[in-house]
Amino acid sequence: GEDVEQSLFLSVREGDSSVINCTYTDSSSTYLYWYKQEPGAGLQLLTYIFSNMDMKQDQRLTVLLNKKDKHLSLRIADTQTGDSAIYFCALKGSTLGRLYFGRGTQLTVWP
Amino acid sequence: GAGVSQSPSNKVTEKGKDVELRCDPISGHTALYWYRQSLGQGLEFLIYFQGNSAPDKSGLPSDRFSAERTGGSVSTLTIQRTQQEDSAVYLCASSQTRDRDLAFFGQGTRLTVV
Repeated sequence: GEDVEQSLFLSVREGDSSVINCTYTDSSSTYLYWYKQEPGAGLQLLTYIFSNMDMKQDQRLTVLLNKKDKHLSLRIADTQTGDSAIYFCALKGSTLGRLYFGRGTQLTVWP
Repeated sequence: GAGVSQSPSNKVTEKGKDVELRCDPISGHTALYWYRQSLGQGLEFLIYFQGNSAPDKSGLPSDRFSAERTGGSVSTLTIQRTQQEDSAVYLCASSQTRDRDLAFFGQGTRLTVV
């Protein structure tokens, strides 16, 4: 199956940019996803990128995909304290297969 | 429904009892997932249903765990003879493979085994 890796912790100051990285072992996923989990809550689908794209921008969020290096990143511009959460990257090993998740990156934003 | 619904939201049970957790997926979604999340941990895959295909049960931690999906819709996760290590939040998600396979999660069932 897939092996999806993320660093566990990231701390930034309010107003700075945050970059959360994810690497994976297989590249057959049609879409790749980012989820956000706030304390005590379920997972919220934040954004996704089609595997044929290199970049997708959605307001303060930018997703970058480097298929050659099997590297996915999520950039949050002008990070706010409300962005403090755990961020998970996810992808599928095959079209009809299941989702694989990274262990999650705990983002802490300091005022 | 508008989203994935899980019930109960909280369940406290005594060690050795059986529990059933329910998931109502988004209408029309063909794929359904169960994960669990222990305190401060990541997501642990349990089981995956995709349409009429045989479910991927590779994540079930022991034969005390089972799940079924009736009529391609509602799913029930059953844990028999619960143990304290089963305490976790059990999360259900559903997706439609034909629509970017976007998986949406319910709010989870917090299971506490005492």
